[in-house]
This record gives sequence, structure tokens and C-alpha cells, in this order.
Amino acid sequence: QSALTQPASVSGSPGQSITISCTGTSSDVGRYDYVSWYQHHPGKAPKLIIYEVSNRPSGFSNRFSGSKSGNTASLTISGLQAEDEADYYCSSYTRSTVRVFGGGTKVTVL
Amino acid sequence: QVQLVESGGGVVQPGGSLRLSCAASGFSFSSYDMHWVRRAPGKGLEWVASIRYDGSNKYYADSVKGRFTISRDNSKNTLYLQMNSLRGEDTAVYYCAKDRVSSEAFDIWGQGTKVTVSS
Repeated sequence: QSALTQPASVSGSPGQSITISCTGTSSDVGRYDYVSWYQHHPGKAPKLIIYEVSNRPSGFSNRFSGSKSGNTASLTISGLQAEDEADYYCSSYTRSTVRVFGGGTKVTVL
Repeated sequence: QVQLVESGGGVVQPGGSLRLSCAASGFSFSSYDMHWVRRAPGKGLEWVASIRYDGSNKYYADSVKGRFTISRDNSKNTLYLQMNSLRGEDTAVYYCAKDRVSSEAFDIWGQGTKVTVSS
């Protein structure tokens, strides 16, 4: 059960946009439109921020957007804010193992 | 208010057992698949186990298969994780999570319960 591949860290200045990639295989990210993204502030409950590649839960900020091309999904955070500093995880449905997460990306707001 | 509250974590010796519980409120628990996810110190989220809304099917990560058992009691709105033959690498914060219907996503998470496996 190999984890999806994410960059370990991404940083940006307030107001900038950043993009986090999530690379899987043709058995998970590439095969299903069931990619989701989570924001996790340590010590708190993780939050769902994107589901089914590009959909936002009701009430969640539209500064967060998702997309997918082939075996790689992406999360873009626009207008970066201090409260966006957190760990971000992608996840995909996979027939063989049900669910798989990425290794996580630490976002730092400079 | 939709809420998940985990309990049952603690310190246990290698080879020991522990049972985690997750009390659900604010939604129709018996209608949703449920999951356990963990985060080990210094590591990322790891899916652990899932159970269908009616308990008919259960799924496990290879790392816990044969040692952990997921179950639920829909009459008590509670999800469980029985953990046996615990190892040091099982040390983590364990979260229960609700499934978002037809989206294969975890839309509600608990605050987590910490499990430490150490002698």
C-alpha cells in the first residue's frame, strides 16, 4: 500500500497562490475521481476541504480549489493567509486497499 | 451538531490490547460507512480500517490486518476499534471519521485519542 506522493513542504507569502501536487498511479488517482484533500492543524481534527477532485464542502472557503490530470491531483490555495499554515493531505479511493493517503505537505506562510 | 468523540486511548505495553470507541451524534449514524485513521508521531495520516453502514463489510490496512478489528453498534451510535498484539509502530493519534456518501471522502472527524505502545 504505497502512499500517494506529495512534496514535504511548500511555502508562500501572504496573498500569494501555492499549489500542492499529489501523484498516484493508474490504480488510484488516475482511475477514480475520488480524490479528496484535508487540512490538519496539529492537535485538532482534520478538515475535509476538497472532495471528488474539485468540490468544496458547503461553507468552505473558495480560496481552495482542486484539479486532476492523469495520475496527479493538485490543490491550489489562493490569497494565502496566516491561518492556512497547516499540514495538507490528499487521499484517493483505491479498489485494492479502499483508501490511501499522501505523505502530507507542510504549508508555511512566510 | 454533528460530532464524533473518540475515547479509550492510553499507554499499553507491546503485545497488549486496547479498545477504542467513537461516539457519534447529530447525524443518522446507521446510514453511514465509518473509518479509523491514525497519525503516528512525525508521520502523516494513515488509513487504518473501514466498516460499511450496516457492518456487513470491513476493510483493513495491511499493517493492521489480523490484529485490529473494526466494529459498530448502531443502537448505541458507536464505532469501535479493537487493537490486539500492539506494536511500537502502532503508537499514534487515532481518529474516527464519517464517510461522505458517494464521495469516498471523510467529511467529519473526531479530535482523536492517543495510543502509546511502550514498555
